[in-house]
Amino acid sequence: GNSVTQMEGPVTLSEEAFLTINCTYTATGYPSLFWYVQYPGEGLQLLLKATKADDKGSNKGFEATYRKETTSFHLEKGSVQVSDSAVYFCALRANSGGYQKVTFGTGTKLQVIP
Amino acid sequence: EPEVTQTPSHQVTQMGQEVILRCVPISNHLYFYWYRQILGQKVEFLVSFYNNEISEKSEIFDDQFSVERPDGSNFTLKIRSTKLEDSAMYFCASSEVGSSAGELFFGEGSRLTVL
Repeated sequence: GNSVTQMEGPVTLSEEAFLTINCTYTATGYPSLFWYVQYPGEGLQLLLKATKADDKGSNKGFEATYRKETTSFHLEKGSVQVSDSAVYFCALRANSGGYQKVTFGTGTKLQVIP
Repeated sequence: EPEVTQTPSHQVTQMGQEVILRCVPISNHLYFYWYRQILGQKVEFLVSFYNNEISEKSEIFDDQFSVERPDGSNFTLKIRSTKLEDSAMYFCASSEVGSSAGELFFGEGSRLTVL
C-alpha cells in the first residue's frame, strides 16, 4: 500500500535559519505529492504540491521537488520566520484516476524561536 | 475563495451518545472525505464518498460510523455510540472531479470530546 515517512520532530530553529524536512514515500503508480501545514489550533492547509517527477512546488518561500529516483519530496525554506511555527505533513495521492484517498505522514512539528 | 465549512467547531458529549458532525464541501466538488486526528498524532483516513456511496473506508470506520449526504450540500459523519477513544479532531475534505493533482481541501475541523 501507499505510505509516507517523515523525519521525526520537533524541529527547533532560530529565525532566518535554513529548514529541511525530509519526506520519502512508497506508492504504486504515479502519485501526486503534497505538503500540508497545520498552524496551532487550526485545520490543514495545502502548502504546495507537485504532480509529476522533477516538478517543483513552491509557496510562501517553501519549496519541494518531486524526486522519483529517490522517492522523496523534501520540504525546504531558506530563511524561516517565527510565523512558520506549525506542524508540516507530507502526503501523497495515487494519480491513477478515481477517488484514491490522500495518505499522510506523521507530521513534523517546527518551532522557530526569535 | 470557496472553502469547506464544518460544524460544530467543538462538541462535548457523554460516552455512548450519538454525535453528528456536519460538513459543507466546496460546491462543485464531488469527492468527499472524513479524516481524524487524535491530539498530537497523525492524520488518519476514515472514509471517502463519491456518487452517493462509500468508495473506500479504513479499518477505523467500523459499524459505529456512518456517512450521509442528505441533501445537495451537506455531508455528515455520524458516530452512533461514542467511546472515549473517539475523542479527536475530525476533518472533512473535498476534491474536484478530474483534478490532475487531486488535492484535498480541508475544513477547519470539528473537535469532539467524549467524556
